[in-house]
Order: sequence, then structure tokens, then C-alpha cells
Amino acid sequence: DAKTTQPPSMDCAEGRAANLPCNHSTISGNEYVYWYRQIHSQGPQYIIHGLKNNETNEMASLIITEDRKSSTLILPHATLRDTAVYYCIVRVASYGGATNKLIFGTGTLLAVQP
Amino acid sequence: DSGVTQTPKHLITATGQRVTLRCSPRSGDLSVYWYQQSLDQGLQFLIQYYNGEERAKGNILERFSAQQFPDLHSELNLSSLELGDSALYFCASNPGEAVSGNTIYFGEGSWLTVV
Repeated sequence: DAKTTQPPSMDCAEGRAANLPCNHSTISGNEYVYWYRQIHSQGPQYIIHGLKNNETNEMASLIITEDRKSSTLILPHATLRDTAVYYCIVRVASYGGATNKLIFGTGTLLAVQP
Repeated sequence: DSGVTQTPKHLITATGQRVTLRCSPRSGDLSVYWYQQSLDQGLQFLIQYYNGEERAKGNILERFSAQQFPDLHSELNLSSLELGDSALYFCASNPGEAVSGNTIYFGEGSWLTVV
């Protein structure tokens, strides 16, 4: 699986959009970009994933560059409860059997400020 | 609630002892993954089972073992415990089939403290 690079920490004001960048310059054509977050000592929580196109769900939006070498997770209106470590992971999504494991890096600690 | 259930939530035991952590995956999920998170190591993948068979191994110590039972629940056995084994242990599950997608969902973890 390709390696990702994320800033170690970011701040965001409550109510503003939080934009979390991720570089994955060695991503392969069959690798998806996944985002998870971990609120202090809780289980990692799935946020969103994508392959080529931008994706949006009730939690966040994922913007993937055309060359797929980087992506941005957007939390449109950050709240204090969004303070967490956010992990960007690239992973081959195989079908028809056991799915590949997630390999976590060090992530970005997002601190939402009141 | 992810649907992945782990027991016990907290466990304190002495060095040299053996413990078993239990995981019930989401209903219908065939794949189970175990992760360890200690303060200085981050989230480390330990082992993966699919429909009862071991599929992938990570940085799992020889003192640790796991299995997945016919009802798909899984157990992680930790023996000859050392102080350094104190950590959060997470279980995760995934359908493992194309139709249901590939998202992996995590439980809330089992806190193990070795004293």
C-alpha cells in the first residue's frame, strides 16, 4: 500500500470549514483513499473513501486531485466534537474475499477551537 | 455504534498471566482484524481472519495468538504478559465481499493494563 504524508497538527475555529490535506504521490491506480478519525482512545471511526471522483456524505467531503497524488478531507462546519486524530490511508480494495487491512500512519491532530 | 462488540472493556492483570479478548463482528461480516494501540506505537495491525482462516499477519508477538470461530466471533489470546503489553486492543470487521463494500468498522476497544 502507498504511503501517505499528513501534517502532524492543525487548528480550526469552531463553525469554520476544516480542510485536512494528505499527500499520496505513489498511489496506484487500484488504490482507494480512506479517511478515518479517532477521538481520544475511542475506536477509529470511518469517515469517507474515494477512488477518483470527489465524494460527499453526511460527515465530510473528499476532494481528490486529478492526478490522485493528493487529497483533502473537508469538514464543512467543524464543531468541538470534531477534535480528533484524522488518518488518511491508501489501500487496495480487493473483492471476492478477505479485504486488505488498513495500515495507519501518525495522522493529523485536528484541534477545533471555540 | 459500529456494530462491532468487544469484551471486556477494561482488564487489569499481572505480569506473566494470560488473558483472552473477545470480539463479535458486525452481523454478517466475515473478516475480523485485530489492532494494538500503545502510547508510543500508534495503531499497529496484528492479525486478520476471514471466515475462520488466518489471512494476514502483522507485528504480532509469538506470545499472542488469535482465532475465529464458526459463528465468526474472534478471540485474541495474550500470554506471558509483560508490562509493555499494556495497550488498547481494537477489533474491526468487514464483510469481505464485493457487494457490501470494503469499509472496515472498529469496535471501542479493550483496555489492557499489565501491572
